[in-house]
Amino acid sequence: QSALTQPASVSGSPGQSITIPCTGTSSDVGGHNYVSWYQQHPGKAPKLLINEVSNRPSGVSNRFSGSRSGNTASLTISGLQAEDEAHYYCNSYTSSVTVVFGGGTKLTVL
Amino acid sequence: QMQLQESGPGLVKPSETLSLTCTVSGGSMSGYFWSWIRQPPGKGLEWIGFIHYSGDSNSNPSLRSRVTISIDTSKNQFSLKLNYVTAADTAVYYCARGRVPSDDWGQGTLVTVSS
Repeated sequence: QSALTQPASVSGSPGQSITIPCTGTSSDVGGHNYVSWYQQHPGKAPKLLINEVSNRPSGVSNRFSGSRSGNTASLTISGLQAEDEAHYYCNSYTSSVTVVFGGGTKLTVL
Repeated sequence: QMQLQESGPGLVKPSETLSLTCTVSGGSMSGYFWSWIRQPPGKGLEWIGFIHYSGDSNSNPSLRSRVTISIDTSKNQFSLKLNYVTAADTAVYYCARGRVPSDDWGQGTLVTVSS
């Protein structure tokens, strides 16, 4: 199975909004609602930000939002803050009853 | 929120078997999927496999021939065995609750494959 496609890096200034795309196929991102996003700071375990494409778990800031169009899911972070600088990963359930991750995107807050 | 803790050797010799255990606290394992994910140094996350509390499991096709995942709900633990390891298996190994999403994660444990 192939990894989901994410840009290697994105950047934005404090207060701005950025969007990170995650592209898969109709067998994964486009075919199921089980698409999630994670934030990972250096040396730390990933933290769940978004589940089921667009649901925010309790305790996650409403500055984080998820959406999907066709085979591409997206994570949008609004009102960028310095502490948002981290790596972001998407993942998806697949029609083969497996799980696939995106390659990860490094967010730099300028 | 549950707590998960990985344990096992931090150094494994090439061609030997990597064995890790994840101990779950703060709740019951019943009704959940439990996953193993790894991250080579400086690289992204790679899904290894999952197991349901009932024992049903699946793994990454690229690792399937070498991976065994088991569960012992009486001990609140699930385990990973990866056979015939090479340097490419050097990574931080995470255990997590859930399949997609993985809600709760262990802190991760670094396993180095080296002679």
